[in-house]
Amino acid sequence: TAGITQAPTSQILAAGRSMTLRCTQDMRHNAMYWYRQDLGLGLRLIHYSNTAGTTGKGEVPDGYSVSRANTDDFPLTLASAVPSQTSVYFCASSWGGDTDTQYFGPGTRLTVL
Amino acid sequence: GIQVEQSPPDLILQEGANSTLRCNFSDSVNNLQWFHQNPWGQLINLFYIPSGTKQNGRLSATTVATERYSLLYISSSQTTDSGVYFCAVVPRMNYGGSQGNLIFGKGTKLSVKP
Repeated sequence: TAGITQAPTSQILAAGRSMTLRCTQDMRHNAMYWYRQDLGLGLRLIHYSNTAGTTGKGEVPDGYSVSRANTDDFPLTLASAVPSQTSVYFCASSWGGDTDTQYFGPGTRLTVL
Repeated sequence: GIQVEQSPPDLILQEGANSTLRCNFSDSVNNLQWFHQNPWGQLINLFYIPSGTKQNGRLSATTVATERYSLLYISSSQTTDSGVYFCAVVPRMNYGGSQGNLIFGKGTKLSVKP
């Protein structure tokens, strides 16, 4: 199985433009997550979804939105990108609950100029 | 919120050497995972280990939940072990928010020299 796929692999985006980062999992996991990784700060949770149809805010949600229309997909949208959103974005999934292993996608490297 | 501290921040080893990486956390946890981020940026699950000891080949991990720390052991290190090792936890007292919100430490950067 593919596990978790993310697209694009990398992107350069002009400030003020919008963009959607895609994430798809084929493990039928209930929960999905978006993290950003910044040098010196580690990974931080942006948004999460415990099950299809529900979403919630993580530690750093400002400037991002998500939707969870079905089990497999969890897109992350930047409505108007700013340079501080330059980062590596990881999507993850798990069966749900706080005692389950999370599995991570390969990441999307985003540069906002 | 919970604090996750990893040590050492950097580690340089000669191939074949053994090493121990440490993760301290400031509160009770329901979940603890170790990850390896390889030089290409991929995050690879090593262990799910909220308590006890597990082994997988040359790697093993021990978590002493009552004392709030976890150790990752790497034996007979190889150049392919290079990268950053992250410890991440889900705090037991997770008021609101995601049920599975992993809180990451800042990682230990390991360089194994041939």
